[in-house]
Amino acid sequence: RKEVEQDPGPFNVPEGATVAFNCTYSNSASQSFFWYRQDCRKEPKLLMSVYSSGNEDGRFTAQLNRASQYISLLIRDSKLSDSATYLCVGPRGGSYIPTFGRGTSLIVHP
Amino acid sequence: EAEVAQSPRYKITEKSQAVAFWCDPISGHATLYWYRQILGQGPELLVQFQDESVVDDSQLPKDRFSAERLKGVDSTLKIQPAELGDSAMYLCASSLPRTDGGELFFGEGSRLTVL
Repeated sequence: RKEVEQDPGPFNVPEGATVAFNCTYSNSASQSFFWYRQDCRKEPKLLMSVYSSGNEDGRFTAQLNRASQYISLLIRDSKLSDSATYLCVGPRGGSYIPTFGRGTSLIVHP
Repeated sequence: EAEVAQSPRYKITEKSQAVAFWCDPISGHATLYWYRQILGQGPELLVQFQDESVVDDSQLPKDRFSAERLKGVDSTLKIQPAELGDSAMYLCASSLPRTDGGELFFGEGSRLTVL
């Protein structure tokens, strides 16, 4: 089993919709995760971190569910500009070795 | 514009040739990563450095790939000989050393096409 796994999608939603992605992880001891956004043919950029208390930034909310070993990203009031690939990152090994999921593609249409 | 510098941006080579990529991280970032990203996949870690020391290179195909960071600043990733399956984006990232991870800052990547 891979360290982090994501549904590649694509998730096709209309503007204004609420959409949620999950990312499952295998290392039960993991405590810190991250969501990155990657636009087509660009480098990934940090969207938000996810610790045990979760995180909220405007329309974006990230949460950690330790019992079920997944993290989630919720996007409210989707904008056309939210169209991108969303990558989750978790640790591999005892020291933090950042491991990416394959990404979830989001397409927001008018 | 990304502050991690990478070159070249694009490289086209024939199989069996040698290719090299260079990365200059953000000043003061002790941790440097090389990732490979195949189209439609997430970035896969090839090697992680802490200063000049290798922290992890378990996914680096050592028969053809090598990486070095001799002075603990810039880094070079080499492939020799290149194979068709090496066509991908090679991403360099840097970060401050933190036990809980922390933000990775990526360069714009080096896109390799092997013919």
